[in-house]
Amino acid sequence: ETGVTQTPRHLVMGMTNKKSLKCEQHLGHNAMYWYKQSAKKPLELMFVYNFKEQTENNSVPSRFSPECPNSSHLFLHLHTLQPEDSALYLCASSQGQGGTGELFFGEGSRLTVL
Amino acid sequence: DQQVKQNSPSLSVQEGRISILNCDYTNSMFDYFLWYKKYPAEGPTFLISISSIKDKNEDGRFTVFLNKSAKHLSLHIVPSQPGDSAVYFCAASVAGANSKLTFGKGITLSVRP
Repeated sequence: ETGVTQTPRHLVMGMTNKKSLKCEQHLGHNAMYWYKQSAKKPLELMFVYNFKEQTENNSVPSRFSPECPNSSHLFLHLHTLQPEDSALYLCASSQGQGGTGELFFGEGSRLTVL
Repeated sequence: DQQVKQNSPSLSVQEGRISILNCDYTNSMFDYFLWYKKYPAEGPTFLISISSIKDKNEDGRFTVFLNKSAKHLSLHIVPSQPGDSAVYFCAASVAGANSKLTFGKGITLSVRP
C-alpha cells in the first residue's frame, strides 16, 4: 500500500453540490494536513490535525469543512464551492510535533467546480 | 507576504550538465529546509533536506547548499537527466514548532536530451 492515499483522484462538481475528499495514511504518523495547489501559486496550507485535533485553520472559508475521525483518516467536506476553488487538493502526513516537518504527500484530488 | 521565494519559474538544462535551482527565504526563524519534487498528476515527494547547522548536504546527484547570512539555498543536480524534469518546491520550517512547512511557488525544470 502507498503511504498516503487520496480519493477520488478527480472530481467535477457544481456550485450547489456537496462532495467529500478522503485521505488515508499508512505510515503511523500523528499529523495530517490539507494543502491547496492552484496554478502558479505556492502550496497553501489549509488545515492541520495533530492526534485528531485541529491545530491550524489557515483562514479557510467555511465552505471547506475538514474532519479527522482518527490519526489515519482525514476528510475534506465540500459545500457550495466557487469556480475559483478549482485546484489540486493535497493531503499529507508527518510525524507531527517535534519532528522536522518532512511531509509525505498523497497524489492529490483534482477538483473542478463548474 | 511570501516567506519562501523561488523567483525563477522555470529552468531548461542540457542533459549531463548541472542544474542549479535557487530559493530565498525571509523568516530568520526557519532552521530546516527541504526540497520536494513533483511530477504531473502526482503528489510532491521528498528529495533532500538540510538543517541550519550545516551549509551543505549531499545525496548522490543532489546537493543542497545553505547560506544563512544571505537567507539563500540552492539545489544542485549533476549530472542532470531527462527524468529529473519536474517541478521542484523549496520548503522551510521551524523544527519542532508544529512542524509546519512553508512552500515556495516551485520551479519547473526541463532537462533536454
